[in-house]
Amino acid sequence: DSGVTQTPKHLITATGQRVTLRCSPRSGDLSVYWYQQSLDQGLQFLIQYYNGEERAKGNILERFSAQQFPDLHSELNLSSLELGDSALYFCASSVVAGDQYEQYFGPGTRLTVT
Amino acid sequence: GEDVEQSLFLSVREGDSSVINCTYTDSSSTYLYWYKQEPGAGLQLLTYIFSNMDMKQDQRLTVLLNKKDKHLSLRIADTQTGDSAIYFCAERMDSSYKLIFGSGTRLLVRP
Repeated sequence: DSGVTQTPKHLITATGQRVTLRCSPRSGDLSVYWYQQSLDQGLQFLIQYYNGEERAKGNILERFSAQQFPDLHSELNLSSLELGDSALYFCASSVVAGDQYEQYFGPGTRLTVT
Repeated sequence: GEDVEQSLFLSVREGDSSVINCTYTDSSSTYLYWYKQEPGAGLQLLTYIFSNMDMKQDQRLTVLLNKKDKHLSLRIADTQTGDSAIYFCAERMDSSYKLIFGSGTRLLVRP
């Protein structure tokens, strides 16, 4: 157990709909990262938040957005869903201390768009 | 550019050593990681190496880094059936905190 929690575990929805994925980082971690894992694209970085502020953006579609709240949990919002958005969405949090930089992943949310 | 490459598949016999290889392109990579993903599960951080090191050993795992060739390997000693999984190599560049992942190597351990 990495200490990163994600809900829900599975989500099935229809095209055109909007969903929200939730992530709680490990206790004490200020950074949250979102990744998408799909068969054709592999593991892709989407976005990073640090202490409530967006820090870095990757291959995130405009239909997707995220935020990090004062209690450090984060939500990834996916709207106007398409079949191709079906994937595993991972959240990760990191600890940075001196030379140590470790990123721990949650169990993921499996999104199926029908 | 950002690119991490791995071979797709490796099959070994139980008790043998496994060596999973990875190449990366960005010489500014500061940390290189190995993650394990079992079926239906998330990514488990196995080990990582800082770019100023050549080798790191952690129980049955040995990581070797050749910075000149931009080559990283993970050796698993005495491979067990429970080691069957997909292994991902990832790099982190100095300028960013995001991880760039390879496509993963599926390790199959035969009894």
